[in-house]
Amino acid sequence: RKEVEQDPGPFNVPEGATVAFNCTYSNSASQSFFWYRQDCRKEPKLLMSVYSSGNEDGRFTAQLNRASQYISLLIRDSKLSDSATYLCAVGGGYIPTFGRGTSLIVHP
Amino acid sequence: SAVISQKPSRDICQRGTSLTIQCQVDSQVTMMFWYRQQPGQSLTLIATANQGSEATYESGFVIDKFPISRPNLTFSTLTVSNMSPEDSSIYLCSVEVEGAANYGYTFGSGTRLTVV
Repeated sequence: RKEVEQDPGPFNVPEGATVAFNCTYSNSASQSFFWYRQDCRKEPKLLMSVYSSGNEDGRFTAQLNRASQYISLLIRDSKLSDSATYLCAVGGGYIPTFGRGTSLIVHP
Repeated sequence: SAVISQKPSRDICQRGTSLTIQCQVDSQVTMMFWYRQQPGQSLTLIATANQGSEATYESGFVIDKFPISRPNLTFSTLTVSNMSPEDSSIYLCSVEVEGAANYGYTFGSGTRLTVV
């Protein structure tokens, strides 16, 4: 089993839709969790950290499920500009392991 | 958060040659990381660049192939040596962003390498 796994997608959704991605991890001792956004031919940029209690930033909600060892990212009211690849990162020590990313395409 | 200047942004190189990638950070950071990202793949950590000591390499990566320098707390270089087409990839440097409420890792803009 890979350390960090994501469904590569693509997820193809209309504007205004709600979409959710999951990311599973194998190391139960993992302590830090992140979601990154990567646009085509660009570097990954931190979207949000994921806290144990879950956290929200505008239209984006991140949650952690330690029992089932996954994190999730929920995007509400999708915008065309949300089209990108979303990478999860899971850290056991201080260096995170990245998933392959999930591609999201938001269409009009 | 830290700002990283990475160069070159892209290069096309002949096999057998070497390319040195530079990353300059606008603040002092303890550790810098070098990643490789092949098309459709996740980020793979090559090594951790430590100031004042040798870099720490991940499994599958060796110093002879990917020598790293870290002369001070704001700068690092990664050299891709004796290149082959299999080295064609995007190479990224990264630093940890500390002290912010939403801490994480910041990346340089990447170097897109094509070996012909």
